[in-house]
Amino acid sequence: DTAVSQTPKYLVTQMGNDKSIKCEQNLGHDTMYWYKQDSKKFLKIMFSYNNKELIINETVPNRFSPKSPDKAHLNLHINSLELGDSAVYFCASSQEGVGSYEQYFGPGTRLTVT
Amino acid sequence: DAKTTQPPSMDCAEGRAANLPCNHSTISGNEYVYWYRQIHSQGPQYIIHGLKNNETNEMASLIITEDRKSSTLILPHATLRDTAVYYCIVRVHISSGSARQLTFGSGTQLTVLP
Repeated sequence: DTAVSQTPKYLVTQMGNDKSIKCEQNLGHDTMYWYKQDSKKFLKIMFSYNNKELIINETVPNRFSPKSPDKAHLNLHINSLELGDSAVYFCASSQEGVGSYEQYFGPGTRLTVT
Repeated sequence: DAKTTQPPSMDCAEGRAANLPCNHSTISGNEYVYWYRQIHSQGPQYIIHGLKNNETNEMASLIITEDRKSSTLILPHATLRDTAVYYCIVRVHISSGSARQLTFGSGTQLTVLP
């Protein structure tokens, strides 16, 4: 069973469109994250949710809006896509306060904006 | 989180030990050292972490110097599948706010050669 899954794996779309990326974890973790990896391979945190509440909101354009319908899901909606949004987006989860605090990452969603 | 410094790249012969250094000279007393790796086109994967004692698991060993200002990740018998970017990260075990996030640097590209 996949611990952290993301859909879709690849997403190609045109500038100006609105798109969503979905993430689900079956590990029972209470915290989920979105990271962005740009073309230079730098991985950077975007958002973090704990028990459906926003904990971390780094400086990202407000065109990006995370939504957590329940503890196991954290979706990323992006409005008015721009060329610079092209990147690989990784979802991750962890159980904070217990054990090793390690984060489990999904396989990534490669977003290409044309 | 304290800043970490890693060499940008290293090579290792298959079957030999790979020793990946990390400098974290400004580490605080309550910060743990974590290692993750990212195999090409995959999500980052947790390897090991430690506070001040040396640690070993099925994947690797972590050696932390007595002053905690540097550490070495050891892959005892490197295989071709260990070719990846290895990230050394420090973080506290505090479940609040930005303490949860992982701050990735540029890591070390380890290439295992046949």
